[in-house]
Amino acid sequence: AIVLNQSPSSIIASQGEKVTITCRASSSISSNYLHWYQQKPGAFPKLVIYSTSYRASGVPSRFSGSGSGTSYSFTISRVEAEDVATYYCQQGSSNPFTFGSGTKLEIK
Amino acid sequence: QVQLKESGPGLVQASETLSLTCTVSGFSLTSYHVSWVRQPPGKGLEWMGRIRSGGSTDYNSALKSRLSISRDTSKSQVLLKMNSLQTEDTAIYYCTRSAYNSFDYWGQGVMVTVSS
Repeated sequence: AIVLNQSPSSIIASQGEKVTITCRASSSISSNYLHWYQQKPGAFPKLVIYSTSYRASGVPSRFSGSGSGTSYSFTISRVEAEDVATYYCQQGSSNPFTFGSGTKLEIK
Repeated sequence: QVQLKESGPGLVQASETLSLTCTVSGFSLTSYHVSWVRQPPGKGLEWMGRIRSGGSTDYNSALKSRLSISRDTSKSQVLLKMNSLQTEDTAIYYCTRSAYNSFDYWGQGVMVTVSS
């Protein structure tokens, strides 16, 4: 199974700050199959970025993604209070599809 | 609009079989894959398996011996059955629609507690 090492495990940021989460895969992944999700407390996960860098419908432009091969990143350019959530990367390149362990974002 | 809704028992005894139903609307099961993903309380996400638009299935090898996913296209339902439940199977179970092997729509989830 492809293991996704996500870091950091938690971030405390101020509103307006830029935050970046990294996701490193144990094997190379096609960029078509690396995705990011946002899970707010008590809610189901929501697709934010698909295929490395494409924003899902309705997702604000402050969210972005990049990467290739085994190294991917997710960025919120200016954090807002509503972005408090846990963020997960996920690979759909090979069975079993796997998720990173999550990054919990809190606001200072 | 696209909707998925899970249903099933909230409490199951250890060693018994879990049966969950995912009822979908706004899309056809013959056009999209549907996966099951679970999340133990306070923990991360685990992909369990899927039924493809063509009706074939893929399973996480960690669960394959206990898991079965099927569908009833006439009812727009995807069915999950997992046997030999243990307390470690206590989790929120989500059904999701797949696109590019991402999960673009999710149900609200159903909490299943396995009691010993």
